[in-house]
Amino acid sequence: SYVLTQPPSVSVAPGQTATITCGGDNIGRRSVHWYRQMPGQAPVVVVFDDSGRPSGIPERISGSNSGNTATLTVSRVEAEDEADYYCQVWDSGSDHVVFGGGTKLTVL
Amino acid sequence: EVQLLESGGDLVQPGGSLRLSCAASGFTFTDYAMMWVRQAPGKGLQWVSSLTGPGDGTFYADSVKGRFTVSRDNSKNSLFLQMNSLTAADTAIYYCARGMCSNSACLGGHSDFWGQGTLVTVSS
Repeated sequence: SYVLTQPPSVSVAPGQTATITCGGDNIGRRSVHWYRQMPGQAPVVVVFDDSGRPSGIPERISGSNSGNTATLTVSRVEAEDEADYYCQVWDSGSDHVVFGGGTKLTVL
Repeated sequence: EVQLLESGGDLVQPGGSLRLSCAASGFTFTDYAMMWVRQAPGKGLQWVSSLTGPGDGTFYADSVKGRFTVSRDNSKNSLFLQMNSLTAADTAIYYCARGMCSNSACLGGHSDFWGQGTLVTVSS
């Protein structure tokens, strides 16, 4: 089955840039979606189809996808960005939705 | 306003059964595929099952296939998850989430709306 690999944690100071990766075999050929989950809350999509941004998501949150790595970038990090972030793809080979293990973003 | 409201979570003994429901409102329910995603305490998101808008395509994670059955009643704007032969590993918050369109080709899309979840605890 298809596997997505994320770093368990990323730490960044306020105002700096956080980069969260999602690794998978030829993931660049798939559409990747990213979700943010605050403690005790349901996930919210922050990036869809590699780099699309839903309404209400600030421009400082962006995504890219190439080769074996998809990347979520949070620029000018704020305290409110502290959350768990998950990548997601559809694996057509198995007809499964696949989530990465999640990355906890800590704002120092 | 789109709303998804899960219900049915409870404490159940190992080997028992439970039926979860997800009541949808604010959109044309039959136009959207739906999925169930769960999250064990302190763990990440795990996909459980997806279902096309008409209900003619069902998909399951390997860990629940043969034990869980997803269904929907489009006349009542409701999604269901029948869970049998439950084990401690099924303990989690279960979320329902909306897909981006109706057919199986849409299952690769993102989920733009999620419910707040319902807690299932499997323990003796």
